Amino acid sequence: EAGVTQFPSHSVIEKGQTVTLRCDPISGHDNLYWYRRVMGKEIKFLLHFVKESKQDESGMPNNRFLAERTGGTYSTLKVQPAELEDSGVYFCASSQQGWVYNEQFFGPGTRLTVL
Amino acid sequence: RKEVEQDPGPFNVPEGATVAFNCTYSNSASQSFFWYRQDCRKEPKLLMSVYSSGNEDGRFTAQLNRASQYISLLIRDSKLSDSATYLCVVNKDSGAGSYQLTFGKGTKLSVIP
Repeated sequence: EAGVTQFPSHSVIEKGQTVTLRCDPISGHDNLYWYRRVMGKEIKFLLHFVKESKQDESGMPNNRFLAERTGGTYSTLKVQPAELEDSGVYFCASSQQGWVYNEQFFGPGTRLTVL
Repeated sequence: RKEVEQDPGPFNVPEGATVAFNCTYSNSASQSFFWYRQDCRKEPKLLMSVYSSGNEDGRFTAQLNRASQYISLLIRDSKLSDSATYLCVVNKDSGAGSYQLTFGKGTKLSVIP
């Protein structure tokens, strides 16, 4: 069974540009999460989808970030316009249920560098 | 105060050693607890869930003390392959009908031949 996949693995952009990250969850997983790790900090929650609906977006840093999950399959996270402080590793995770004890499976991450 | 605090590390131990990691969490409403392992430039992977009764998986033993809001991980007979960063993670109801993972910064372990 394929795991969570993310694209691209790396992205280097200039400040002010737009970048779109993609996440494909494990097939059949209704719950999809985005997390981010900026350098020197811990991994932090961004948002949670259940199918195509945003269940919790309390971790989204500001309105430059837009996440979508059309059709309840893959998800995209767009940063527009990118700022220097957006650099970091963006992880996507998925789980079959959204229950508190359910394991979240992480993708390999997208390493974003904003110059 | 951070929600999840871990030993800063790094821990450098010889093969065969026993090593213990400690973690405290600040939110008493946290409901589930985990140790994740993260290899360099890789994604976090679940190592084990942590239960109040304590649980063991081979060389790994995890303990939870809800009263003290303290979590531990013990690794016995360390192997070179145990070298990684160990992340203490708690899960809580965000109040939006969602459970979100809260991570510690991680403790880096290097097992030396």
